Amino acid sequence: QKEVEQNSGPLSVPEGAIASLNCTYSDRGSQSFFWYRQYSGKSPELIMFIYSNGDKEDGRFTAQLNKASQYVSLLIRDSQPSDSATYLCAVNERGTALIFGKGTTLSVSS
Amino acid sequence: DAGVIQSPRHEVTEMGQEVTLRCKPISGHNSLFWYRQTMMRGLELLIYFNNNVPIDDSGMPEDRFSAKMPNASFSTLKIQPSEPRDSAVYFCASVPEGTTEAFFGQGTRLTVV
Repeated sequence: QKEVEQNSGPLSVPEGAIASLNCTYSDRGSQSFFWYRQYSGKSPELIMFIYSNGDKEDGRFTAQLNKASQYVSLLIRDSQPSDSATYLCAVNERGTALIFGKGTTLSVSS
Repeated sequence: DAGVIQSPRHEVTEMGQEVTLRCKPISGHNSLFWYRQTMMRGLELLIYFNNNVPIDDSGMPEDRFSAKMPNASFSTLKIQPSEPRDSAVYFCASVPEGTTEAFFGQGTRLTVV
């Protein structure tokens, strides 16, 4: 059974702080790793993907991957109230569907 | 591009009735997924099509659920008969060929009373 684990939160951070979201996965064959953001009542939207070990930066977002530890993280710098949402980690192998974690709820207070 | 289109957006039905959810993927995308989301279980994969062929339906909860993809631009998920425990948000997502990045529709909120 392939599993993706996330702390459900809520994770509360003040505006301007760094938010750190973490995810672990069970399938060592996983090749692609994604972070989706889901606002309440809306559909998930892709914000980052990473395929190789190390860091990948996109604006205020940095995704980090450590395949040896089966660990993926998302850092959000200069957090804004508009970042308040549920963040879903997803992984897959080539040719298979995305498997999602249950998500971490982030709350950024102004 | 209009994105992935799902219909209806909301459905309320009585237990025992048949429910059909519809999805139009993004043109040119060759993979399509149906997911179900609840507070308790999160986003669960129900079934995965590639080039209109079902590849993995191990997530379909029971025989009451069926899915079809008659062509590249249309898919349906049918529940017959529906039960209150089927109440959830059902999402359809499509993926461009050569990538693994899924684009989600707006979802169908199903309530079975």
